Amino acid sequence: QVTLRESGPALVKPTQTLTLTCTFSGFSLSTSAMSVSWIRQPPGKALEWLARIDWDGEKVYNTSLKTRLTISKDTSKNQVFLTMTNMDPVDTATYYCARKAALWYYFDSWGQGTLVTVSS
Amino acid sequence: SFELTQPPSVSVSPGQTASITCFGNKLGDKYASWYQQRSGQSPVVVIYQDNRRPSGIPERFSGSNSGNTATLTISGTQAMDEADYYCQVWDTSTKAFVFGTGTKVTVL
Repeated sequence: QVTLRESGPALVKPTQTLTLTCTFSGFSLSTSAMSVSWIRQPPGKALEWLARIDWDGEKVYNTSLKTRLTISKDTSKNQVFLTMTNMDPVDTATYYCARKAALWYYFDSWGQGTLVTVSS
Repeated sequence: SFELTQPPSVSVSPGQTASITCFGNKLGDKYASWYQQRSGQSPVVVIYQDNRRPSGIPERFSGSNSGNTATLTISGTQAMDEADYYCQVWDTSTKAFVFGTGTKVTVL
């Protein structure tokens, strides 16, 4: 059974850096074709893909946020991390991590999401 | 960057058919997936690779993709199908995932 769980601060101040952790089980990111992404959703708005990290270490970012994002992984701990710098109130959202299906480019498992509010 | 556009809302009567469209430039050249997101819950994939249903997804969900438009069809819509629906593709040029703007389906 595949599970993913996001964790991190519920509240950050403007200009601060956000660090989120995705802890997963039921698969290994050292397995070929495995990939984990971060996706966010502002309240009442659409899903927005942020970044992905693949089993071989390849990293891809949303071009509009690339300068602010860093994705990394600790394969031994089954964790994926996301840092986002210079947080702004418009970054208030529920942040999800999700696993890409092995053979196809869609997300077959999602975490429950973590709400991050940016406010002074 | 690649963009996907969906109608903001679709209304359907119970038992009728709901069609949700997703528009993107030459979308038919890519594989489309669809997610259902009920209120307060995480998204769940209902269609992938244009028209394939994951195990556990009811047969009333079907998909197609041609030209510039992908379509999710819900046949015999039930009250439990009321949710937000998002299309999604993988953009081969940027190696990035793209989500549509989302459609709220209301079962009247």
